[in-house]
Amino acid sequence: GAGVSQSPSNKVTEKGKDVELRCDPISGHTALYWYRQRLGQGLEFLIYFQGNSAPDKSGLPSDRFSAERTGESVSTLTIQRTQQEDSAVYLCASSLEGTRGNTEAFFGQGTRLTVV
Amino acid sequence: SQKIEQNSEALNIQEGKTATLTCNYTNYSPAYLQWYRQDPGRGPVFLLLIRENEKEKRKERLKVTFDTTLKQSLFHITASQPADSATYLCAFRTGGFKTIFGAGTRLFVKA
Repeated sequence: GAGVSQSPSNKVTEKGKDVELRCDPISGHTALYWYRQRLGQGLEFLIYFQGNSAPDKSGLPSDRFSAERTGESVSTLTIQRTQQEDSAVYLCASSLEGTRGNTEAFFGQGTRLTVV
Repeated sequence: SQKIEQNSEALNIQEGKTATLTCNYTNYSPAYLQWYRQDPGRGPVFLLLIRENEKEKRKERLKVTFDTTLKQSLFHITASQPADSATYLCAFRTGGFKTIFGAGTRLFVKA
């Protein structure tokens, strides 16, 4: 597509439920990132996918968080047993990694997750 | 661990003046820094990239400097306009292939 697409744009869920967030990156972009942004805060790195390499999961805050990516396409971020502290905007970004990996990241609009 | 620090206080300036935002980093020597703009309710948008061997980079009314000795980047918007009001984030990529962002600085340009 023309840009990074995320769905849903808004999600309200009850505490304890599982949620799945989806990201469609720009076609041909080999790198995909998930970030979390709490209200008024900066971007918190969660996970990074690059081609067929093992993902960098070092930013996932707990084992309730997991993410998958199918090849170089769609990614899903799953949060199990949601807690109120999980309420935030979840941003996905993709980039076309060059040999130095210094190309810009293109962001989606984000999914605003509210846990009640 | 690597850390990026941006002034958390909002910057208020008058239209037409130059806005200067600061980004400091520690525990790493990035090969480049990026600056992004984020408007409320939207994802960040890339503005400029500056490499370690570049002292200065310009794009229209934007200018970025990179001082590897001070471990600091400055972001300038000249002839600022109310439409420049947004949050500006700096970022760099670590050796572990992840891009980390500062918390951002909110800029308000008053007409």
